[in-house]
Amino acid sequence: EVVMTQSPATLSVSPGERVTLSCRASQSVGSNLAWYQQNPGQAPRLLIYDVSTRATGVPVRFSGSGSGTDFTLTISSLQSEDFAVYYCQHYNNWPPITFGQGTRLEIK
Amino acid sequence: QVQLVESGGGVVQPGGSLRLSCTASGFTFRTSGIHWVRQAPGKGLEWVAVISYDGSKKYYADSVKGRFTISRDNSKSTLYLQMNSLRGDDTAVYHCAKGNSYLDSWGQGTLVTVSS
Repeated sequence: EVVMTQSPATLSVSPGERVTLSCRASQSVGSNLAWYQQNPGQAPRLLIYDVSTRATGVPVRFSGSGSGTDFTLTISSLQSEDFAVYYCQHYNNWPPITFGQGTRLEIK
Repeated sequence: QVQLVESGGGVVQPGGSLRLSCTASGFTFRTSGIHWVRQAPGKGLEWVAVISYDGSKKYYADSVKGRFTISRDNSKSTLYLQMNSLRGDDTAVYHCAKGNSYLDSWGQGTLVTVSS
């Protein structure tokens, strides 16, 4: 089973800042990587799939990059609605699919 | 728009059973793979099971294999999760989610609490 590790667990940032979240896979997952956003009490929302393709309706300030084992999600200028928990997920040679443990963005 | 609505959660004693449902609308249910993903209180996301569009393929996480059964009724656009031999660590919000690999739409979830 592929283990997904996200860092950091929590990130304190100010609105307007640029932020980069990291996700590392225990073995190569190719380009089979997605990112999700979850606000408190809400369902997760797909942001990015296939490493860098934005899902429908996702603002351009969200971008993804990487390949193999190391991936990043970048938010170019944080808006108030972006303070949430972010999860990466691989879908290479699944099942199982596995998620990272999440990175929480909080307001500094 | 795509809607997934889970139901059937509640409080159940350890060793008990529960059946969850997920009713879908806004897309062609019979052509979509559907997953169950759970989230324990204050914790991250854990994949539980998936079923192919026609129900011919089913896969489970090791943590639920042999205890949970995923099924679907395409005539009713409904997904099910039969949960038997429930344990305390099965306590979670259970989401259904549409997709064959990445999950492009999610339901709000239904809470299952396993407690005596």
